Amino acid sequence: DTEVTQTPKHLVMGMTNKKSLKCEQHMGHRAMYWYKQKAKKPPELMFVYSYEKLSINESVPSRFSPECPNSSLLNLHLHALQPEDSALYLCASSRPGLAGQETQYFGPGTRLLVL
Amino acid sequence: AQSVTQLDSHVSVSEGTPVLLRCNYSSSYSPSLFWYVQHPNKGLQLLLKYTSAATLVKGINGFEAEFKKSETSFHLTKPSAHMSDAAEYFCVGGAGSYQLTFGKGTKLSVIP
Repeated sequence: DTEVTQTPKHLVMGMTNKKSLKCEQHMGHRAMYWYKQKAKKPPELMFVYSYEKLSINESVPSRFSPECPNSSLLNLHLHALQPEDSALYLCASSRPGLAGQETQYFGPGTRLLVL
Repeated sequence: AQSVTQLDSHVSVSEGTPVLLRCNYSSSYSPSLFWYVQHPNKGLQLLLKYTSAATLVKGINGFEAEFKKSETSFHLTKPSAHMSDAAEYFCVGGAGSYQLTFGKGTKLSVIP
């Protein structure tokens, strides 16, 4: 089973709202990722958690706040977003491996619209 | 540093004809290379992965890719296109711990 699940599928929020995106995997993977994907572009890495610790933060604005409560769950808390943050947010996971050889498995994404 | 270049932003084929999606890579070391497919409003699905075990890599749904070091290429092929193959395809390189380098993507259209 190589399934990563994400909820919700779609989210519409105002610029003053607080919302959260959720990602879950039960493959025993110890690395989990958040990506942002704008239309007609490849995904851009936002955050990486390795063994539940934040390993990479690609200079993402503080209005995005990741959380990894346990090895199966990854959240992305959203607050005071801007319309330009509207995008498809993808979660991925991988098992530990040689650097550059980890295979990342992606979830279906959350389509976010900020009004 | 590794980079990947997808040579075509859009490829159009007729149903039942072969598919060729081109990808070149540049790397100062032996790379890991992947092909992912993304259908509209969906996540990315792994098609296949190269990690130096074999130069011809077979993937899902009849796709395969051949790693050619002399040409620094990793082109994706399929003998016969199906309507369901219409999607965006990404050639991706392993760029270090947890990091991937994405090509810009190739949109495949399949004409009935």
